[in-house]
Amino acid sequence: KQEVTQIPAALSVPEGENLVLNCSFTDSAIYNLQWFRQDPGKGLTSLLLIQSSQREQTSGRLNASLDKSSGRSTLYIAASQPGDSATYLCAARSGYSTLTFGKGTMLLVSP
Amino acid sequence: SQTIHQWPATLVQPVGSPLSLECTVEGTSNPNLYWYRQAAGRGLQLLFYSVGIGQISSEVPQNLSASRPQDRQFILSSKKLLLSDSGFYLCAWSGIPSEQYFGPGTRLTVT
Repeated sequence: KQEVTQIPAALSVPEGENLVLNCSFTDSAIYNLQWFRQDPGKGLTSLLLIQSSQREQTSGRLNASLDKSSGRSTLYIAASQPGDSATYLCAARSGYSTLTFGKGTMLLVSP
Repeated sequence: SQTIHQWPATLVQPVGSPLSLECTVEGTSNPNLYWYRQAAGRGLQLLFYSVGIGQISSEVPQNLSASRPQDRQFILSSKKLLLSDSGFYLCAWSGIPSEQYFGPGTRLTVT
């Protein structure tokens, strides 16, 4: 059974810092890995999707990497802004249709 | 473009009462549909998923059920709510197999 772990559980940084969020998964036989953002009381917004054959994906200030052999993914956020404050979730697709989620990293960026 | 709707946004129901949450998707056909529950401190839990009309897979045993009466409609139901059913319910859709996109969610409080 796939298990996804996210470290740290919470992170507080000053505005402008670059930061890395970590995600690890136990079963390396994944189809893809997806990073989401969730604002309080809201649904999930998809940030990046990395297919199993890819090493990384970039969108603006976000860069996600995937190392299947070690069961790890990282989300890099450059030049963080207060608007980046949210909970970030990673999810691994192991089965044909289903995702296994980590519990998330709660990020606070202070002005 | 594709849009996913959920209603109601919030719901307060007494223990033992029935439940019906609805999710609809616009702008795509034959999507995979999913129901998740997010409880405090427990992360996102997949409850049901559907790959087609009338096709429902249950991930966990519970007093909830799901139905897909139309291609782009997914309904979550219960005959008698328990206190433990409280949580944030999220509907999602995806292509085959691809990124998952989430709705705005329904906050259910069982009293």
